[in-house]
Amino acid sequence: AAGVIQSPRHLIKEKRETATLKCYPIPRHDTVYWYQQGPGQDPQFLISFYEKMQSDKGSIPDRFSAQQFSDYHSELNMSSLELGDSALYFCASSSPGGLKDGYTFGSGTRLTVV
Amino acid sequence: AQKVTQAQTEISVVEKEDVTLDCVYETRDTTYYLFWYKQPPSGELVFLIRRNSFDEQNEISGRYSWNFQKSTSSFNFTITASQVVDSAVYFCALSETFTGNQFYFGTGTSLTVIP
Repeated sequence: AAGVIQSPRHLIKEKRETATLKCYPIPRHDTVYWYQQGPGQDPQFLISFYEKMQSDKGSIPDRFSAQQFSDYHSELNMSSLELGDSALYFCASSSPGGLKDGYTFGSGTRLTVV
Repeated sequence: AQKVTQAQTEISVVEKEDVTLDCVYETRDTTYYLFWYKQPPSGELVFLIRRNSFDEQNEISGRYSWNFQKSTSSFNFTITASQVVDSAVYFCALSETFTGNQFYFGTGTSLTVIP
């Protein structure tokens, strides 16, 4: 079965650079969620999109922005990168039926800022 | 305030021992879901179980079992006859319908199974 695809799997950037993470949800899933997991931390909710509109916002820094495109894939754009942005970034998607029909995480993108 | 509490930060057991990971949650929603995920050193989140708030039946899957008790807001996870491959960080998570289905994770329990 198709899963949530995240790219790239690993990314190394320098301070003050920009990074773009991509997420391709499961086909027919209309909601995408982004999470950030710092070293030794639990994943923290950043932002979510439903039908290409932002639906909820968590602890996402102003330097970050995200959007969901017409094909339902989503991109997380991170600018002016800081060392503290080094983390594992997860994307998850859910179906129109909501949680009762499933909620699937991608394998994550590991961002290292040097 | 943390909505999901995993009081056990680290647990070590000897192989073949049973181990229970505790999870206590807090919510005012009547419809919610509880999850357990395993995160091995490779980093991915491996789905273990989903339980909705209306289903208090305990579940057993092989060596894994879960005890959901609404009266105590707990959703504990037991591994019987632990194996070295069970070594990982385990996260309990809560999702509420009225907060948009985002996940609230506990801080995780790092389980080490010693051969």
